[in-house]
Amino acid sequence: EDQVTQSPEALRLQEGESSSLNCSYTVSGLRGLFWYRQDPGKGPEFLFTLYSAGEEKEKERLKATLTKKESFLHITAPKPEDSATYLCAVQGGGGADGLTFGKGTHLIIQP
Amino acid sequence: DTGVSQNPRHKITKRGQNVTFRCDPISEHNRLYWYRQTLGQGPEFLTYFQNEAQLEKSRLLSDRFSAERPKGSFSTLEIQRTEQGDSAMYLCASSPWAQDTQYFGPGTRLTVL
Repeated sequence: EDQVTQSPEALRLQEGESSSLNCSYTVSGLRGLFWYRQDPGKGPEFLFTLYSAGEEKEKERLKATLTKKESFLHITAPKPEDSATYLCAVQGGGGADGLTFGKGTHLIIQP
Repeated sequence: DTGVSQNPRHKITKRGQNVTFRCDPISEHNRLYWYRQTLGQGPEFLTYFQNEAQLEKSRLLSDRFSAERPKGSFSTLEIQRTEQGDSAMYLCASSPWAQDTQYFGPGTRLTVL
């Protein structure tokens, strides 16, 4: 059974204070690892897809990286509008198309 | 290009009543997914359609739940004899052919009293 564990559960940073969110996963044959951002009361918003170890993707202040066992979402010089819950999900290679999500990291950026 | 839409956005019902939700995927996305999300948890997969065929169902999808996608476009999720434990956000996602990324709608918030 695919499993995703995200840490920390919650993180409070000052504006401009860079940090990283962790996503550890167990999956039989990774097809893809996905990062989403979710604001309160809204659906998840797609950020990145990573497919193989060593892959990196960037978007504005966010950079996602992938190893064989975990992924990191690095946030550089965050702004208050980056405050949200960040969700990590995996899609396994067992023929199932449904995503397995972690519980998310609730990020608060204080001005 | 409009995103995934879901209706209604909010539904309050009494225990034992039936409810139905609708999802309209992004145009030309042939794959459609339903998830359920409770407070403080990540979304949990319920079921998946490729065109009109329902190809995958989670063990979370009890026999009170049924989903359809009759013409391969919009989909409906029906919950019969609702229970308080069914209170959650129901999310729909779609993806295009030969791509793995799933794009989510705004969700339907269900409250069972």
